[in-house]
Amino acid sequence: SQTIHQWPATLVQPVGSPLSLECTVEGTSNPNLYWYRQAAGRGLQLLFYSVGIGQISSEVPQNLSASRPQDRQFILSSKKLLLSDSGFYLCAWSVIYPGTGNTEAFFGQGTRLTVV
Amino acid sequence: SQQGEEDPQALSIQEGENATMNCSYKTSINNLQWYRQNSGRGLVHLILIRSNEREKHSGRLRVTLDTSKKSSSLLITASRAADTASYFCATAQVDTGGFKTIFGAGTRLFVKA
Repeated sequence: SQTIHQWPATLVQPVGSPLSLECTVEGTSNPNLYWYRQAAGRGLQLLFYSVGIGQISSEVPQNLSASRPQDRQFILSSKKLLLSDSGFYLCAWSVIYPGTGNTEAFFGQGTRLTVV
Repeated sequence: SQQGEEDPQALSIQEGENATMNCSYKTSINNLQWYRQNSGRGLVHLILIRSNEREKHSGRLRVTLDTSKKSSSLLITASRAADTASYFCATAQVDTGGFKTIFGAGTRLFVKA
C-alpha cells in the first residue's frame, strides 16, 4: 500500500537559520507531489507542486524553495527563515488513475514549524 | 482566489444534530474530495466523488455534487463530539504537465456534547 512520510513532526528554528523538510512516498511511482502551508486557523495554501523529477512549479512568491531529487522525494527548503514562515506544512501526493483521469490526493501528518 | 471555497467558515452544533457544509469551485473538475483535519494534525481523506456522480455515501457522511452549479455539499448525520474538526473540499484541476489539487479555506465544525 502507498504511504507518505513527512518529518520532522515539529521544528523550532531561529530567524535566519536554514530549513529542510523532507517528504517521501512509498508504494507508487511518478506521483504528483505537493507542499502546502496552513497558517493558524486558516486554510491550506499550495506552495509547490511537482509532476516529475526536477520539475517544480511555484504557486506563490515566498522565502521557500522546493526540490525533487528523486521520484518519490520532495524537499522544502529555505536559506534563511523569517518569522512569517511559521506554520503547519503538509506534504501530499496524488495519483492519476489511467483511463478515467480521476485523481486522489493523500497527505502526510504535517510539520509544525515555529520560527523564533 | 483558490478553488474550493467552503461555507460556512465556522459551524457550531449540538451532538446528534446534522452538519452541512458547502463548497463551490470555479473550473471544470475530474473529481472533488472532502478532507478532515483535527487541530494541529494532518489531513484525513474522507470521500471522493467523481464528476459523473451526483451523490455518494460513506457511513454517516453524504456528499452531493452539482456540476452545473459547480458546488458540493458534505452532510454529517447524527454528529458526535469527535466530529469536531476542520473540513476541506479539494478539487483536482488539470494543469500543465499534470494535475494539481486545490483546497478551500475550510469549515471549522464544533460539535458540543
